[in-house]
Amino acid sequence: SQQGEEDPQALSIQEGENATMNCSYKTSINNLQWYRQNSGRGLVHLILIRSNEREKHSGRLRVTLDTSKKSSSLLITASRAADTASYFCATDGLDSSYKLIFGSGTRLLVRP
Amino acid sequence: GAVVSQHPSRVICKSGTSVKIECRSLDFQATTMFWYRQFPKQSLMLMATSNEGSKATYEQGVEKDKFLINHASLTLSTLTVTSAHPEDSSFYICSARGSGYQPQHFGDGTRLSIL
Repeated sequence: SQQGEEDPQALSIQEGENATMNCSYKTSINNLQWYRQNSGRGLVHLILIRSNEREKHSGRLRVTLDTSKKSSSLLITASRAADTASYFCATDGLDSSYKLIFGSGTRLLVRP
Repeated sequence: GAVVSQHPSRVICKSGTSVKIECRSLDFQATTMFWYRQFPKQSLMLMATSNEGSKATYEQGVEKDKFLINHASLTLSTLTVTSAHPEDSSFYICSARGSGYQPQHFGDGTRLSIL
């Protein structure tokens, strides 16, 4: 069953603005990952943050993790129309199965 | 980077047909492969986990006789939807990971439509 909830479910912004998406999860984790999915396509891995890390950057992406609140955020700075996609967080639990439990996703629309 | 190829990308077939979907890791050995199902505008639901050379582990509520998974080599896993019915229509996505801790790499998905 899905573990994570994401908000907002949908986000529409103007090109150049920043986009922030939030993810909450329920159980203890080894790490949390963010993925991107273009319509009708597979998922592209964006960034992984380990449970002992609090913040991570990759290009225009910034991810934070608060294990005490069981939440994470993904910030996309200076958004572009090409960033339009669905974004999912996924958690990897402590059972060593490497299974990912996905959040409900945020659909981002960046208007040119 | 790690590439996972999924084939076919789209299948349309009649009710009662069995459909096979292939998932290949092109440039790495996939210790574990995962199969997901995704309904429109929803998240991915894990169906099963397959490790090379052993039986797949199915998630609760997934019929193992309906969704046959074979992971015969370190680069290939197949999902066969047996005697497919319209309610099996969905987007099926595979992923693969190598040994040690590696992120999962996803195929481009297969859209299955059963008439």
